[in-house]
Amino acid sequence: AQTVTQSQPEMSVQEAETVTLSCTYDTSESDYYLFWYKQPPSRQMILVIRQEAYKQQNATENRFSVNFQKAAKSFSLKISDSQLGDAAMYFCAYRSADSGGSNYKLTFGKGTLLTVNP
Amino acid sequence: KAGVTQTPRYLIKTRGQQVTLSCSPISGHRSVSWYQQTPGQGLQFLFEYFSETQRNKGNFPGRFSGRQFSNSRSEMNVSTLELGDSALYLCASSSRTASFSYEQYFGPGTRLTVT
Repeated sequence: AQTVTQSQPEMSVQEAETVTLSCTYDTSESDYYLFWYKQPPSRQMILVIRQEAYKQQNATENRFSVNFQKAAKSFSLKISDSQLGDAAMYFCAYRSADSGGSNYKLTFGKGTLLTVNP
Repeated sequence: KAGVTQTPRYLIKTRGQQVTLSCSPISGHRSVSWYQQTPGQGLQFLFEYFSETQRNKGNFPGRFSGRQFSNSRSEMNVSTLELGDSALYLCASSSRTASFSYEQYFGPGTRLTVT
């Protein structure tokens, strides 16, 4: 079974600074997807960024980028120019690429609570 | 396009009762997944429905069940409620079929409190 580990329960960053959230995962599959989701106090889960395991290039979405190290099974999220609205719980998630298999589900880490200080 | 909707948003039930939660996916999405979120266990996968068939199931007791209708709307049912069933229940929809449309989009959740 796949597992996702987020070792930082809480992180804080000053507004306009950069912060990196860590995520490691364990899998025996070679093809999969990785995601970062954001959950603000409203509890609405919002997709921040995704990474396909077969792509070597790291995904980037505006101020959000990832450092994907497949061999190390590491998937960190970097938030640049942090804004007050970035304050939320961030979840790292894994999903198998095998759409016909029983592992076609999101497996989440425990989350990292990000605080942005003005 | 309208997002994923879940009803009701809040629910208070008594131990031993049963409850039904509803989820309407994004138009055109045929896959609906359910997740339970609690402070202790985090986010856990309950089950997934695609084209009215349960495709995947998480490690939950048989008291948790679901179904999907022909219009892709899904319901989940919890019978004989226990205090530990108090949680935020999240529904997510996905097109699933297209290789590039694999994101799951979440609804706002239903907060269930069992007393």
